[in-house]
Amino acid sequence: QQPVQSPQAVILREGEDAVINCSSSKALYSVHWYRQKHGEAPVFLMILLKGGEQKGHDKISASFNEKKQQSSLYLTASQLSYSGTYFCGTVGSDSWGKLQFGAGTQVVVTP
Amino acid sequence: DAMVIQNPRYQVTQFGKPVTLSCSQTLNHNVMYWYQQKSSQAPKLLFHYYDKDFNNEADTPDNFQSRRPNTSFCFLDIRSPGLGDAAMYLCATSRVGGRTGSNSPLHFGNGTRLTVT
Repeated sequence: QQPVQSPQAVILREGEDAVINCSSSKALYSVHWYRQKHGEAPVFLMILLKGGEQKGHDKISASFNEKKQQSSLYLTASQLSYSGTYFCGTVGSDSWGKLQFGAGTQVVVTP
Repeated sequence: DAMVIQNPRYQVTQFGKPVTLSCSQTLNHNVMYWYQQKSSQAPKLLFHYYDKDFNNEADTPDNFQSRRPNTSFCFLDIRSPGLGDAAMYLCATSRVGGRTGSNSPLHFGNGTRLTVT
C-alpha cells in the first residue's frame, strides 16, 4: 500500500527550510528517503529503522515515529542542489524487502 | 566501481512487438527489483526477486514477465507492449538479510526509457 506524502510541491528560496511528511496506514519496518532529479534515477538519502530515530545527510535530516507510522524529512538552509523530487519509500512489517514509494514531493530551490 | 547497469538507455518498440530490457549488477546483492515510472509519478513496483524466489505484485499485468538466470542479471520481458506501457523502467538491487526486512538502501540503475509507437 502506497504511503501518503505531503506537500505535493514546495518552492523555496536558497537558505530557507522545508518539511516533507510521509505517513502510512500500516505498521512499518523502515522508511527510506530518495531524491530524484529530472531524467535521472532516484538516489538514496537515508533509512530510518526505529521509532523516534533521527538521521542526517549533510543538512537534510529525518525522523521516524514508529507508533504513528510517520516520517518527516527536514531540508535545512536549502541549497540549489536540493531541487528535485523527494520520495519516501516504506517497508511494511509484513512485507520485508519490498519498498513502496509515495507519490513524491517536488522541491524547487530558487536563488 | 560496483554498480547497476541497465541496457539500453532508450528503447523504441512497436505496438504489440515483444521487447526485453536488461539489468546487470556487480554489487552481488541478493534482491533485484523492477519498477515502472511514468511521467511525474512515483516508481511502481512490478516484481522482485529474493535470490531465485520470484515475487509478483498483485496488480502487475500478465503482459510483464521477468527472468533472473543468475545473481548478476535480471530481464524484464514485455510480451505485447501497449501505448500505456511507455514509461521509464528502473532496475534496483539491495541486500536483504533473511526475513528481518529491508535495512539497506536500493541501488538504482539509470533506467530504460521505453517508447511504444
